[in-house]
Amino acid sequence: DAGITQSPRHKVTETGTPVTLRCHQTENHRYMYWYRQDPGHGLRLIHYSYGVKDTDKGEVSDGYSVSRSKTEDFLLTLESATSSQTSVYFCAISEAPNEQFFGPGTRLTVL
Amino acid sequence: QKEVEQDPGPLSVPEGAIVSLNCTYSNSAFQYFMWYRQYSRKGPELLMYTYSSGNKEDGRFTAQVDKSSKYISLFIRDSQPSDSATYLCAFGSGNTGKLIFGQGTTLQVKP
Repeated sequence: DAGITQSPRHKVTETGTPVTLRCHQTENHRYMYWYRQDPGHGLRLIHYSYGVKDTDKGEVSDGYSVSRSKTEDFLLTLESATSSQTSVYFCAISEAPNEQFFGPGTRLTVL
Repeated sequence: QKEVEQDPGPLSVPEGAIVSLNCTYSNSAFQYFMWYRQYSRKGPELLMYTYSSGNKEDGRFTAQVDKSSKYISLFIRDSQPSDSATYLCAFGSGNTGKLIFGQGTTLQVKP
């Protein structure tokens, strides 16, 4: 998975609780992305980063925030999880835009 | 009209068959065209990447882009059971790294 790890790999949580997902890369790539994948919707971009402390919103950013204080780490936070945020979350990295490499995913269930 | 259309399948073929997977798109600004392969419960894996009309070949895989008709195709020759996966087309424009994905076509290659 191109030197990308995601943690945790599985998580079950309750509605209203905060959740943080971590993406760690060892490739020193500039760009990092968070996607969610849902049946019938495919992969959708949540947020992305084009450098340390430089982030921007994607297609489905409501309810999510991100932080990137180091090149290798990109955190995705659900401030107050809702059942609609039950999904599989993928992190991706790239040195140049567009040619992205994906991590193994985190399966999140919000009860 | 959706920005990207991809037949979800499933598509079932015998081993050795030639497989054709297709996506159409409506956004003329798309400049980058990609195919990803995703095995069950794994992250997407970049298969092919191109930015021009025409064909690009890599082993048993050929990616075809027709910008005038706004469609892209992935051909798999001599298909193998190990090719059984979901195939996602993806499109990018500019240098933002924001990709738009198709919903994926599930392929099963039977021995």
